Amino acid sequence: AQSVTQLDSQVPVFEEAPVELRCNYSSSVSVYLFWYVQYPNQGLQLLLKYLSGSTLVKGINGFEAEFNKSQTSFHLRKPSVHISDTAEYFCAVPGDSTLTFGKGTMLLVSP
Amino acid sequence: DAGITQSPRHKVTETGTPVTLRCHQTENHRYMYWYRQDPGHGLRLIHYSYGVKDTDKGEVSDGYSVSRSKTEDFLLTLESATSSQTSVYFCAITVGEGSSGNTIYFGEGSWLTVV
Repeated sequence: AQSVTQLDSQVPVFEEAPVELRCNYSSSVSVYLFWYVQYPNQGLQLLLKYLSGSTLVKGINGFEAEFNKSQTSFHLRKPSVHISDTAEYFCAVPGDSTLTFGKGTMLLVSP
Repeated sequence: DAGITQSPRHKVTETGTPVTLRCHQTENHRYMYWYRQDPGHGLRLIHYSYGVKDTDKGEVSDGYSVSRSKTEDFLLTLESATSSQTSVYFCAITVGEGSSGNTIYFGEGSWLTVV
């Protein structure tokens, strides 16, 4: 079964700075990859997903991710973060019956 | 908004009592899921359903049962709640069928505390 690893449990950053949240996946023949965001006391919502085609995927709220097959990575980036981006971010890959999620990365944006 | 409603949203219960969480959807999606979310563990699949009366176990199914007698409702039951089942429970649905690239949509969560 496929799996994902999120290398950082927390990423602190100052407002307006760039950020990268890292995700590595286990290698497979075909890969679909997802990023979800969870704001405090809410459910998860889809940020973006890669199915095929261009390796640079743009999502909501100015986030983008790049699929890198040689490095088996799908890192999430934003060039300038806002306080409102403070949330937990989950990388996910299709598993046996549904999506399998990483353990999450908490993005902490401070003024 | 995928039309998912979870109830109750918050519940405190005592060890050993039965608890049922309800997930209701309004759009007749076939696949429904129950996850639990715990610090350090991310989201883990408890049970899922692929149709009325068709359910299967997920990664952490021990101590939980589910039922789906109608397309729109997926119930999660803790037969005898334990403190280790204190968690946030999320219901989810898949829009579309037959492709592992389909997006999963989540409800708002049910916070359960077992004392």
